Amino acid sequence: NAGVMQNPRHLVRRRGQEARLRCSPMKGHSHVYWYRQLPEEGLKFMVYLQKENIIDESGMPKERFSAEFPKEGPSILRIQQVVRGDSAAYFCASSAGTEETQYFGPGTRLLVL
Amino acid sequence: GQQLNQSPQSMFIQEGEDVSMNCTSSSIFNTWLWYKQDPGEGPVLLIALYKAGELTSNGRLTAQFGITRKDSFLNISASIPSDVGIYFCAGRERGSNYKLTFGKGTLLTVNP
Repeated sequence: NAGVMQNPRHLVRRRGQEARLRCSPMKGHSHVYWYRQLPEEGLKFMVYLQKENIIDESGMPKERFSAEFPKEGPSILRIQQVVRGDSAAYFCASSAGTEETQYFGPGTRLLVL
Repeated sequence: GQQLNQSPQSMFIQEGEDVSMNCTSSSIFNTWLWYKQDPGEGPVLLIALYKAGELTSNGRLTAQFGITRKDSFLNISASIPSDVGIYFCAGRERGSNYKLTFGKGTLLTVNP
């Protein structure tokens, strides 16, 4: 039973480019969460999605960041016009229900040059 | 937003020693969780606590949910080299049933 999968594991972008991070939840999970981890920091909540719905995006910057979880396919975290400050590890987690255990993927390490 | 204060920031111990780390918050939490993160990987859940005063073990790991609901600790007994990693406390604040708040982590180094 595969766990949460994220790709790419590493992503290098130049300032101004777009970054697309993908997350496939565990089989049977329809709840997806994105967290960001800056160097030597804990994870910070960004957004919570269920299939085709954004439930809570209170932790996501209002500009340049967007997230989706379509009916088919992985969840996507999209960062437009990346800046150096976007360099971080982005983790996706999934759960079977709202209050259920969140299982984390291996993360995508984004480096903006 | 809410932050969790986790201490110590780092620990260097000898193999076989016991270690303790803790986490405090300024507000009440309904759930406390302890995760371990290895380099280049995502956090892996070690122990989950759901009731004030609850004491739960997972092998050599023991964690407790503080009576005040504002703190938790994690103990590791008889440490081994593979215990090396970053340990994070995390929790769900009262009123939130999904959003996890994380501490900054405790980096544990075990000398063989």
